[in-house]
Amino acid sequence: EAAVTQSPRNKVTVTGGNVTLSCRQTNSHNYMYWYRQDTGHGLRLIHYSYGAGNLQIGDVPDGYKATRTTQEDFFLLLELASPSQTSLYFCASSDLGASQNTLYFGAGTRLSVL
Amino acid sequence: AQSVTQPDARVTVSEGASLQLRCKYSYSGTPYLFWYVQYPRQGLQLLLKYYSGDPVVQGVNGFEAEFIKSNSSFHLRKASVHWSDSAVYFCAVSAIDVGDNSKLIWGLGTSLVVNP
Repeated sequence: EAAVTQSPRNKVTVTGGNVTLSCRQTNSHNYMYWYRQDTGHGLRLIHYSYGAGNLQIGDVPDGYKATRTTQEDFFLLLELASPSQTSLYFCASSDLGASQNTLYFGAGTRLSVL
Repeated sequence: AQSVTQPDARVTVSEGASLQLRCKYSYSGTPYLFWYVQYPRQGLQLLLKYYSGDPVVQGVNGFEAEFIKSNSSFHLRKASVHWSDSAVYFCAVSAIDVGDNSKLIWGLGTSLVVNP
């Protein structure tokens, strides 16, 4: 069973704050994804990567940076957090592209920007 | 553009009743289709997926879904629900049209409440 671990599980910051969300997967999957989940919007893709050093822009990238440092680790960075970024964030991984393969999700990070 | 519609934001059923959660998609070809489930305070998990072949696909925990191309639908069914099935269910379709095999197009989800 693929394992995806997110940290922290909960985070509170202030407007303008700097936040880093971490994700590690232990099954050597090629693809990793960052999503945000908001009521009325479902899941929205922020950034994704298909390997170490690679970064692809998702559908809602504004205000977010991401970096894939290794095969296992994918980070989401909010350098000037805003209240609109209050959300539930999920990391996911898949062996090949998500369009044909199972996505394995972490348990999520709940971020509040005050 | 591809899209996925889950017309019911919330469905409430009694334990032991049958269940259908609706999903319709827009796509000119035959897409890859998925149902994921999100239990409270957890990430999403795959329930089942359809690529080709038998239009009725079996998933975990007694769930199944039927692909009906003429209706552009992929409804999720279960013969008898249990209180532990209470969760949010997401339908998703592959974004092959945009030339990117990395993405899924997600529905907004249906929250299922099973009353004991």
